[in-house]
This record gives sequence, structure tokens and C-alpha cells, in this order.
Amino acid sequence: ETGVTQTPRHLVMGMTNKKSLKCEQHLGHNAMYWYKQSAKKPLELMFVYNFKEQTENNSVPSRFSPECPNSSHLFLHLHTLQPEDSALYLCASSLQGSEQFFGPGTRLTVL
Amino acid sequence: GDSVTQMEGPVTLSEEAFLTINCTYTATGYPSLFWYVQYPGEGLQLLLKATKADDKGSNKGFEATYRKETTSFHLEKGSVQVSDSAVYFCALSDNDYKLSFGAGTTVTVRA
Repeated sequence: ETGVTQTPRHLVMGMTNKKSLKCEQHLGHNAMYWYKQSAKKPLELMFVYNFKEQTENNSVPSRFSPECPNSSHLFLHLHTLQPEDSALYLCASSLQGSEQFFGPGTRLTVL
Repeated sequence: GDSVTQMEGPVTLSEEAFLTINCTYTATGYPSLFWYVQYPGEGLQLLLKATKADDKGSNKGFEATYRKETTSFHLEKGSVQVSDSAVYFCALSDNDYKLSFGAGTTVTVRA
């Protein structure tokens, strides 16, 4: 049990659908992250939130829209995705300067 | 900027063999260093960490020593098991909210 949960674990969606990924942590951490992990590619940091404020957006396309309503919850809203967006989306949380704790990921398939 | 370079895989070993995965880093400050492991179908888990020079992190039979003079943090295990088959990531944190990850090394242990 890592303390970081993600739902759903698997998601299949069409290119015209709108869906959301959810991440939750109850570790008392102040920072939360979204990563994209594609086959045969390095782990890509997408967004960083620190005390609910977005501090990093690594040139992520606008079809990915993050939301952090509080320090324990993080969402990734998806709309009009492309097949190349199919990947494992990982959420993580941490305290500043400390190790990140990862959730199990959401396996996303875009048809 | 900060970066991590780890040996490319894949690495295939027999059970009870000795495993080494090389990792070197570039950082402007005095980073903390981490090894994460990702088992098939799961998110990343922290395997071990070291926060200052000459520290040795250890867990589950794995060890890594923070070598400032060679800017390295090589992962070793003396006798691997089939259950050690996974992807291993070296990472550093320069006391901010971000981790810099290596590309990952896939390890397969055969019975």
C-alpha cells in the first residue's frame, strides 16, 4: 500500500470522449504530480502542483487539463485525445525535497 | 540542469547471479539520490535512497552508495531472484519539488 490511489485503473476512450483521472493521497504531502509513461520512452513529467498551485507544466497539450482542488486530490481531465496519448498515467505525491510516492497508475487506451 | 544517466538494458540474468546497474548524475547542488522499482503492471515504488555523500541505501538485499567523487549511485544485489524482474529507475532530487529520472533499466531474471 503506497498511500496514493488512482482511479480508474484502466480506461478505454474514443477520441471524442471526455473523461477524468483521479488521484488521492492521505500522506500529508504538499506536492502532487502527473507523469506519462509510454512504452520504450522515459518517464515524462506533465504537471506539478505545490500547495494546490500549479508550478510546472511541461508543454503539455491543452487536451490534458489538470485540477487540484486541495492538497489531497488531483485530477487530470481528458478531452479529444489522440491514439498516441495511450499510455500509463502515474500520479505521485511528496514533501519538498523528499522522495515521491507513486500510485499504481491508470492504463489509458485511446481508440 | 540536473540529469541522470543509467546503463541501458535490457539485462538478463540467471537466478543467484550478481546484479549491477550503473547510474551517474549531474547536479548543481547536493542532491538526494533514489532507486525506484516498477514491477509489471504496477506504479513505481521507492527501493532505496541516500541523502548525502557516502551514505549507503539498502533494502530487500539491494544496496547503493552515494559517491560524490564519481557522481555515481550504482545499484547492486548479490544474488537475484526471479521476483526481482522489473524495471529499475535511478533518480535525483535537488531539494526542489522535482525528480530527475534515468531512462530505466529492464531486468529479467531466469529460473
